[in-house]
Amino acid sequence: EIVLTQSPGTLSLSPGERATLSCRASQSVSTSYLAWYQQTPGQAPRLLIYGASSRATGIPDRFSGSGSGTDFTLTISRLEPEDFAVYYCQQYGSSSWTFGQGTRVEV
Amino acid sequence: EVQLVESGGGLVQPGGSLRLSCAASGFTFSSYSMNWVRQAPGKGLEWVSFISTSSSTIYYADSVKGRFTISRDNAKNSLYLQMNSLRAEDTAVYYCARVRRDYNMDVWGKGTTVTVSS
Repeated sequence: EIVLTQSPGTLSLSPGERATLSCRASQSVSTSYLAWYQQTPGQAPRLLIYGASSRATGIPDRFSGSGSGTDFTLTISRLEPEDFAVYYCQQYGSSSWTFGQGTRVEV
Repeated sequence: EVQLVESGGGLVQPGGSLRLSCAASGFTFSSYSMNWVRQAPGKGLEWVSFISTSSSTIYYADSVKGRFTISRDNAKNSLYLQMNSLRAEDTAVYYCARVRRDYNMDVWGKGTTVTVSS
């Protein structure tokens, strides 16, 4: 099973700042099957990025994804108040899905 | 509006059973594979089970294999999760999620809470 490790666990930033979130896989992941989700308190996860770098429908362009192999990054160029949330990376492979443990972006 | 609505959660004793349902609307349910994903209190996301459009392909996480059964009724636009031999560690919010061809989950329900406790 591929293990995804996200860092940092918590990112403390202010609105307007840039956020850089990391997701490292225990073995190579196909970029086609690497996604990022956002979850705000009490809400379901929301698909942000798929295919490592493609924004999902309705996602603002301040969100971008990059990476390949075992190292992937989610960048939020300028934090808006609604962006303070928990972010999860996720991969599909070998008939299963795994998630990272999450990065909390807090004010 | 594309929507998934879970139901059937509740409080159950260890060793008990529960059946979750997920009602789909606003899209052609029979054209999409589906997942169940859960989230224990204060924890991250854990994939539970997958079912293909025609139910011909089914996967389970090792943590639930042999205890949980996923199924669907395309005529009723509904997804199910039969959970038997429940344990305290199955306590979580259970989400159903639509799975795209690229295996990403683009639509999620709001979840239903399962609590396993005596």
